[in-house]
This record gives sequence, C-alpha cells and structure tokens, in this order.
Amino acid sequence: NAGVTQTPKFQVLKTGQSMTLQCAQDMNHNSMYWYRQDPGMGLRLIYYSASEGTTDKGEVPNGYNVSRLNKREFSLRLESAAPSQTSVYFCASSEGADRWSRIQPQHFGDGTRLSIL
Amino acid sequence: GNSVTQMEGPVTLSEEAFLTINCTYTATGYPSLFWYVQYPGEGLQLLLKATKADDKGSNKGFEATYRKETTSFHLEKGSVQVSDSAVYFCALFPGSTLTFGKGTMLLVSP
Repeated sequence: NAGVTQTPKFQVLKTGQSMTLQCAQDMNHNSMYWYRQDPGMGLRLIYYSASEGTTDKGEVPNGYNVSRLNKREFSLRLESAAPSQTSVYFCASSEGADRWSRIQPQHFGDGTRLSIL
Repeated sequence: GNSVTQMEGPVTLSEEAFLTINCTYTATGYPSLFWYVQYPGEGLQLLLKATKADDKGSNKGFEATYRKETTSFHLEKGSVQVSDSAVYFCALFPGSTLTFGKGTMLLVSP
C-alpha cells in the first residue's frame, strides 16, 4: 500500500531558485494538504484542497503556490526560494468530512527535507 | 481562535513506566480530537481519535479521553516500551482543517 507518496525526499536549493514538490495519493481521498514542520513550531498548514478543483490558503501560504492537478495529485511550488523556507514539508490526504461533518483522519507522506542556502 | 497546547518535552521515561502527555485545547463548538505519532524520519501516523465528549480513543495500549469540561485530551499508556520513543502531536478539528500542537518528544530508555 503506497498511501501518500512525496517526491523528492531531499533537496538543496539556492536562494531564488524555483522548485515543485510533488504529492500523490492512491486512496481516492477527496482532501489534500501541505504542511511545513519546523523545530518548536509543530505543523503549520500552508495550503489545502478540500476537493478536486478547489484550493485554499492555510496558516502560512506566503511564498508558495499549489495546484490540485487531479484527484490524486497535489503539488506545492516555491517560485523564488528563500532561506526561511528551509523546512520539512509534509503532504497529507483524507476522505474529508463524513455526513455528520466530522473530519476523517489524515494520512501523511514521509516528508520532503528541503534546504535553501 | 483554535489552539492546542501540549506539555513541552522531552519526556524521558524508563521502560515499563506510566506515561501521561498533557493536551488542552481552545475551540468553538464541538471539535474532533486526535493524537498523531511521528517516528524518526517518518511522517505522522494517526494514533487515536475521539469525536465527542466522554469518548475514549485507544490504540496500541495508548488511551485518551475527550474531556469537554476541562477541554483536555491527555494521552496515557500504562507501560511504555523503547519502541514508543517518538514525537506525539495532539490535534483538533473544529472546522475545515486540523490544528496541531507543537509536539512532545518521548524518549524511553531500557
């Protein structure tokens, strides 16, 4: 069972370079999410897509863009990387809310470790 | 706004000790509550959940009870193992996305 697959696992960029982080899920989930994890900060939501064709900003969207390419794939783009974007990035997916509007658990990928020099 | 507060770590225990990791929350309405675990080098995995007051979530020997009167969802385990060493995140869902606490590292020594 692949679950949520993120690529690449590691990346080093120079300031000003651009890059796209890829995420794909094979669980037919409706909702997908991008988080960043920094020491002492927990996980902070960057962007999410509640369903195919929709995207919304999370807590820390500045400097990022996303694309929900289809139901399976949700990519995160850094147009002009900055050292402050050095972090571990996690993609997650979930079925969304059930018919009682209760959120279903999120399934996480193994993360992309991104360093920006 | 919505927020989750966890006890700061690391929590260091000997094998077979009793574990409590405190989690309190602030939210409007009736949020669902979750505990996630992150092992070194991996993503987060759902450990347990509770969707309404007085629900008890349990999994792999871990338990947490949704206490609305104290707005808490403390994680407990009666006898920890070295393999439980990880970072534990409390999270709540009051709306369209999850809100995570900052995480508590647990270190268990033999």
